[in-house]
Amino acid sequence: GDSVTQMEGPVTLSEEAFLTINCTYTATGYPSLFWYVQYPGEGLQLLLKATKADDKGSNKGFEATYRKETTSFHLEKGSVQVSDSAVYFCALIYDSWGKLQFGAGTQVVVTP
Amino acid sequence: EPEVTQTPSHQVTQMGQEVILRCVPISNHLYFYWYRQILGQKVEFLVSFYNNEISEKSEIFDDQFSVERPDGSNFTLKIRSTKLEDSAMYFCASSGDGGNQPQHFGDGTRLSIL
Repeated sequence: GDSVTQMEGPVTLSEEAFLTINCTYTATGYPSLFWYVQYPGEGLQLLLKATKADDKGSNKGFEATYRKETTSFHLEKGSVQVSDSAVYFCALIYDSWGKLQFGAGTQVVVTP
Repeated sequence: EPEVTQTPSHQVTQMGQEVILRCVPISNHLYFYWYRQILGQKVEFLVSFYNNEISEKSEIFDDQFSVERPDGSNFTLKIRSTKLEDSAMYFCASSGDGGNQPQHFGDGTRLSIL
């Protein structure tokens, strides 16, 4: 079945460091791919999305490119801030009803 | 920006009792969802709802669970006889067009079963 695998955390970084969170997926066909972020004590917020191969989603300095050949959707940010500390979830939608399948989440801790 | 709102933020219930979690989706959205997140685990899909009926449900969504859209604004999740393992954060979400638009999530209801 469809599934999402993302790197385990926590990932601890210093402010202004480069962040990469790996995400790979298995799916029959071509799902839509998403990154959601969960700040402490809050719900899930959509960070960015890509709906077809080679699409690049971007928001708030974060980027991810839909790579069909490697079935990946890695999240990157060039210079993280303390306020980026959160749990990041990679997810996919495959069916028309919009059922989201999430990865396990990666906690990111950014220190001053 | 329109928001999905959930109430209550925290619900404490005795095992075996019924609980109703409430959600107000974004007003022009047509697709509604419930997810749950057991502490320390991944977010899991429970059910999707469209056109006043369940469109898809997971294995978790057994006979103890039900969903309802009693009026034009609310979307509820009922657990008939709660178990300890139902303790989790429950998230409601809505979207304008199923798989073609991203889902917007509420802040969740933390359900604690004693």
